[in-house]
Amino acid sequence: NAGVTQTPKFRVLKTGQSMTLLCAQDMNHEYMYWYRQDPGMGLRLIHYSVGEGTTAKGEVPDGYNVSRLKKQNFLLGLESAAPSQTSVYFCASSVSGQGNTIYFGEGSWLTVV
Amino acid sequence: GEDVEQSLFLSVREGDSSVINCTYTDSSSTYLYWYKQEPGAGLQLLTYIFSNMDMKQDQRLTVLLNKKDKHLSLRIADTQTGDSAIYFCAETDKGSARQLTFGSGTQLTVLP
Repeated sequence: NAGVTQTPKFRVLKTGQSMTLLCAQDMNHEYMYWYRQDPGMGLRLIHYSVGEGTTAKGEVPDGYNVSRLKKQNFLLGLESAAPSQTSVYFCASSVSGQGNTIYFGEGSWLTVV
Repeated sequence: GEDVEQSLFLSVREGDSSVINCTYTDSSSTYLYWYKQEPGAGLQLLTYIFSNMDMKQDQRLTVLLNKKDKHLSLRIADTQTGDSAIYFCAETDKGSARQLTFGSGTQLTVLP
């Protein structure tokens, strides 16, 4: 059971470089999310998607773009990385409807130098 | 906007009970969750409670919800060293996208 898989798990970027984080889920979930986790701040929602072809902004969307071309994949892009984007990124997915479990990936550690 | 607050640290002796507290501000919260995060790992859902419930028990875990005071607690009975982790409280409202709002997490340390 793969569940929610994130790649890569670790990455070091130079300021100004671009990269894409890939999230894949094999549970046929409609909803997918990207969060970032910073020390002492819990998880904050970057972008989310309620279905294939749709995306929406979360609490901290600036500096990120996302795409949901296929139902099972949710991509998070950094066009021009900044040191403030050094963080741990978590992808999550769930079925629609209240009370259903939201499943998290294991995280991607990104350092921007 | 919504706000979820937790104390940052809690230490208990092995075998004792742990109580982790959380307060939230969104009166439209429908589900409240407790997640566990071990070092270097993702978030594991421990339990959740619907807003029309006062209490939910699941083996060693007891969740209490005081909706009037917007206060949620997680009690872990017979705490073990394997329970050492960060515990996050989270809430979601009636919005269709089911976005979670997280607290900052409580680091639970279980002392031998």
